[in-house]
Formats: sequence, C-alpha cells, structure tokens
Amino acid sequence: GESVGLHLPTLSVQEGDNSIINCAYSNSASDYFIWYKQESGKGPQFIIDIRSNMDKRQGQRVTVLLNKTVKHLSLQIAATQPGDSAVYFCAEKEGNDYKLSFGAGTTVTVRA
Amino acid sequence: DAGITQSPRHKVTETGTPVTLRCHQTENHRYMYWYRQDPGHGLRLIHYSYGVKDTDKGEVSDGYSVSRSKTEDFLLTLESATSSQTSVYFCAIRPQGRLTYEQYFGPGTRLTVT
Repeated sequence: GESVGLHLPTLSVQEGDNSIINCAYSNSASDYFIWYKQESGKGPQFIIDIRSNMDKRQGQRVTVLLNKTVKHLSLQIAATQPGDSAVYFCAEKEGNDYKLSFGAGTTVTVRA
Repeated sequence: DAGITQSPRHKVTETGTPVTLRCHQTENHRYMYWYRQDPGHGLRLIHYSYGVKDTDKGEVSDGYSVSRSKTEDFLLTLESATSSQTSVYFCAIRPQGRLTYEQYFGPGTRLTVT
C-alpha cells in the first residue's frame, strides 16, 4: 500500500482564511517531503519541500511543518485565495532513490 | 512547464492495441519519469530514466515499457492496452544540481481504452 497519505480528501475554505492540509507518512527513512499543487486540467506543480532534518519551512504564503515524532506533514496556506483552489499532494523521497511516492491528494475549494 | 510537451494529449484506443505516448523536453534534463494518475490513487510511478538507455521500473510497471534513445525523448508504450490502463499519464523531469527535490510535470495525456 501507499506509505504517504492525506487525512481528508476534501477541504472547503472561506476566501481570506488560512488553510491547513494534512498528510501522514509511514516511511521513517524518507529524507525529503514535498508538496505539489494540481489545478484542473494541468500537471502537478511544485510548491515547497522540506528536508527531514527540519521542522518548518516557509515560502511565499505557504508554510510546511514536519512532525517526525508522529510522522505528520502539513501545508499551511495563508489568506487563501480563489487561485488556491486545486488538489494538493504530498510526496516523499527516500535516500538516494530517484523516485517519489505520492499521497492520494486533498481537493481544496475556496468559497467567495 | 519546464519545456515539457506530451503527445498526444488525448487518445481513445481499443483493447489489445499497442499505444505509444511521447514525452519531449528541450532542456537536456537527465532524469525523466512517467506517472499515471487515477482517482483515489494520486500519482503512481510507472517507469523512470536516469539517462539515455538507462531506465528502471516504478511501482506499476506491468503492461508498460519505455525507451529513451536520446536525451530529449522518453517514450511510454502500452504493449497491449487494457481497460485498466485508462488513465491520465504525466511525464516529469527532475533538474540536476538542485538542493531541493523538485519534479516538473508535463500537461498530461488522457488515454481511454475501450
């Protein structure tokens, strides 16, 4: 089965509020965790990643938190905008392997 | 889009026929990947390549083969298409020399096997 998964398949957020998207993983050997955004009809787009030796990383309007104790990853989007409506995937990479394992995705819908 | 194109973008084919999907990149990237995307499964890796004529299997490689005879093209072949291979197929590249682990995806090919 998949080692990376998301807690909820859908999330509805009011425009302007903060969004939190969660992901659980099971592979303790993973050294990178990555978030992707996929808009309708398009390929996934890299958002941000975090190495396993970090707890937090911030980007533009996004923050990724990593809790290795409970094997949990989250993506926080500040001041959610209509353009943030998409499917969000977490993914993990183990060691020197070239491959990523993806979770099933969370669909975020922003309400006006 | 990191200079990645996929062709065709849409295809309908019959069960039992061979199908080849093409991924083309213009930036000389070494690493290329083929994924399939199905509802409830996210993206699953079919095959990947780490150089010309260097390929390896992913988690769902049965029924698929790949070839990479030149850096810019990575071909995915469904040897005898089945209805279970109806899916959206994405090609991706990974730029070298980055400290992060980013993959850039093409626009996808929607394949329907009837």
